Amino acid sequence: EAGVVQSPRYKIIEKKQPVAFWCNPISGHNTLYWYRQNLGQGPELLIRYENEEAVDDSQLPKDRFSAERLKGVDSTLKIQPAELGDSAVYLCASSLQSYNSPLHFGNGTRLTVT
Amino acid sequence: GESVGLHLPTLSVQEGDNSIINCAYSNSASDYFIWYKQESGKGPQFIIDIRSNMDKRQGQRVTVLLNKTVKHLSLQIAATQPGDSAVYFCADFNFGNEKLTFGTGTRLTIIP
Repeated sequence: EAGVVQSPRYKIIEKKQPVAFWCNPISGHNTLYWYRQNLGQGPELLIRYENEEAVDDSQLPKDRFSAERLKGVDSTLKIQPAELGDSAVYLCASSLQSYNSPLHFGNGTRLTVT
Repeated sequence: GESVGLHLPTLSVQEGDNSIINCAYSNSASDYFIWYKQESGKGPQFIIDIRSNMDKRQGQRVTVLLNKTVKHLSLQIAATQPGDSAVYFCADFNFGNEKLTFGTGTRLTIIP
């Protein structure tokens, strides 16, 4: 089966610019997650979707971050405007049914804000 | 706050030897624990998990041990291979607040 697909793999932008990341989860997976991973650290959850509903966005900086999962399949994560501290790897993951099944991660988008 | 941490940030092991990666957790209410492997440039990959009502679980070349008394988790990798070189994360999950918390990670290097 195809894994979680993310694009782009790398993105370099200047601060205050907008940026968007795209994720295609594994087919049939109802739950989609966006994580942020800083260098040398474990991933930290930004938002979790059950189908098209965001059920946990408590760690999403809503002043500049937004996400959507139209039709409960693909998802986009947007940052506007980006700040230097947003430099990190943004990981998308999916699972069959929330945390009751293993999370499958994509290879991430490495964002560098200059 | 609650945290999941690792004792050592780096570990080097001779190829063919066994390796043990340790993890301490602080949330006594954690329901299960997961080990992930992350190779350079890739996302974390599920290795093995263990429920809080178990103290040992074995997979292919891997064994996870859970000691709830001292809140300690370990991942044992038998007969290490070059492909085992990666960063290993432990994570704990609590059904009550539905939070999956990752530790910082241990970099395992297999020496040929």
